[in-house]
Amino acid sequence: DIVMTQSPDSLAVSLGERATINCKSSQSVLYSSNNKSYLGWYQQKPGQPPKLLIHWASNRESGVPDRFSGSGSGTDFTLTISSLQAEDVAVYYCQQYYSTPRTFGQGTKLEIK
Amino acid sequence: QVQLQESGPGLVKPSQTLSLTCTVSGGSIINDNYYWSWIRQHPGKGLEWIGYIYYSGSTYYNPSLKSRVSMSVDTSKNQFSLNLSSVTAADTAVYYCARGDSYGRPFDCWGQGTLVTVSS
Repeated sequence: DIVMTQSPDSLAVSLGERATINCKSSQSVLYSSNNKSYLGWYQQKPGQPPKLLIHWASNRESGVPDRFSGSGSGTDFTLTISSLQAEDVAVYYCQQYYSTPRTFGQGTKLEIK
Repeated sequence: QVQLQESGPGLVKPSQTLSLTCTVSGGSIINDNYYWSWIRQHPGKGLEWIGYIYYSGSTYYNPSLKSRVSMSVDTSKNQFSLNLSSVTAADTAVYYCARGDSYGRPFDCWGQGTLVTVSS
């Protein structure tokens, strides 16, 4: 199984400041045939299901604010929120869909400082 | 817009079988572009993928649960189902159904989730 490890486990950022969450996979999730990393990012608010924000490591889903961006390739990835808004308080998960079983990171809890 | 909705008992006794159904609305489950998954989340914890099924009936289960899991699909009702046998308190979780894209996007559509408690 591919193990996904996120850092930090929790993060407190001031409104308007940048938030950065890291995700590392135990093996590459990059498909050489199309040069795409099969890595997604989700946002989960209390009492709600996860919401897909990013696929292929850096492709933002339709309707997701452009303050959310994803980067990285292979085994190391980052989710960045450029200017934190109050509504961004949530737990964020990365997930690989390169192979089965699909696996998630343990989550990063983002709060307002 | 596709919507998914889980249904099933909220309380299951130890050693019994947990059975849930996910109803897909706003689109057909018969679609080669998508696979249909179950994912669970233990209280206050992270996400665990249970497995997926295609409308054709082909399946893949997480090896960690494979001996106890079975999934099925009913295309006439636009539903797919999960059975998890020999449950224990460790199977208490919120169970989500979700849609996965076969061509490069992970789980883009989720049900609201249903809490299943295993207790006598």
